[in-house]
Amino acid sequence: AQSVTQPDIHITVSEGASLELRCNYSYGATPYLFWYVQSPGQGLQLLLKYFSGDTLVQGIKGFEAEFKRSQSSFNLRKPSVHWSDAAEYFCAVGAHQAGTALIFGKGTTLSVSS
Amino acid sequence: DGGITQSPKYLFRKEGQNVTLSCEQNLNHDAMYWYRQDPGQGLRLIYYSQIVNDFQKGDIAEGYSVSREKKESFPLTVTSAQKNPTAFYLCASSPTGGGGYTFGSGTRLTVV
Repeated sequence: AQSVTQPDIHITVSEGASLELRCNYSYGATPYLFWYVQSPGQGLQLLLKYFSGDTLVQGIKGFEAEFKRSQSSFNLRKPSVHWSDAAEYFCAVGAHQAGTALIFGKGTTLSVSS
Repeated sequence: DGGITQSPKYLFRKEGQNVTLSCEQNLNHDAMYWYRQDPGQGLRLIYYSQIVNDFQKGDIAEGYSVSREKKESFPLTVTSAQKNPTAFYLCASSPTGGGGYTFGSGTRLTVV
C-alpha cells in the first residue's frame, strides 16, 4: 500500500537548535517527494521537493531534505530553528505522472521554545 | 498575481443542507484537487480532476460531489449524505508534467 509515515506527532525544539523531522514512505513507483508547511488556519506552502538527481535538496527558509532510497526516507532538516518556524509540517509523495494525486503524512507539529 | 482562491473562508451549514465550496485558480494548471483536513488525520483526498469535464474519486468521496466545467474552477458540494462534514477543506492545483501543488487558503466548514 502507498503511504507516508511521519513518526513524530509533536516536536519541541529550542530556538537556535537544529531540527530534523522524519518522513518514511512506501510507494510502488519512483517517487516525487515534498515537504509542506502550514500555519494555523492557512493553506500549505511548499518548502522543497525532490524529483531526481542530487539527493540533498535545498528549500526555502533555510530548510533542506535528504532523499535516501535505501531507507525510503526523506527527512527535513534545519541547522538553526527560529521561533517563526513553529507550524505543522507535512511530507508527501507522488508519482512521476502529471495530475497524480499526492499522498500526505499526518503531519508533525513543531513548537519552538525560547 | 497567480494563485488559488477559496471562498468563503468560514461556512456554517445546518444539518440536512447541501453546501458548495468554491475554488478558482488563475495559474493555468490542468489538475485540481480537494482535500479534507481533520486534526491528527493529515490531508485526505476527496476528489481530483486532471482535465476539464473529467474527475476521479479519492479516498473519502462519499457524501461529496464535484464538477469541472472550466479549467479555472473546481467547486466541491458537501451533501447531506456526508455524515460528519465539519472540517477544514483545502483545494490545490498542479501543472501538467507533475510537480508540487499550489494550495488555496482553505474553507472551514462547521455544521450547526
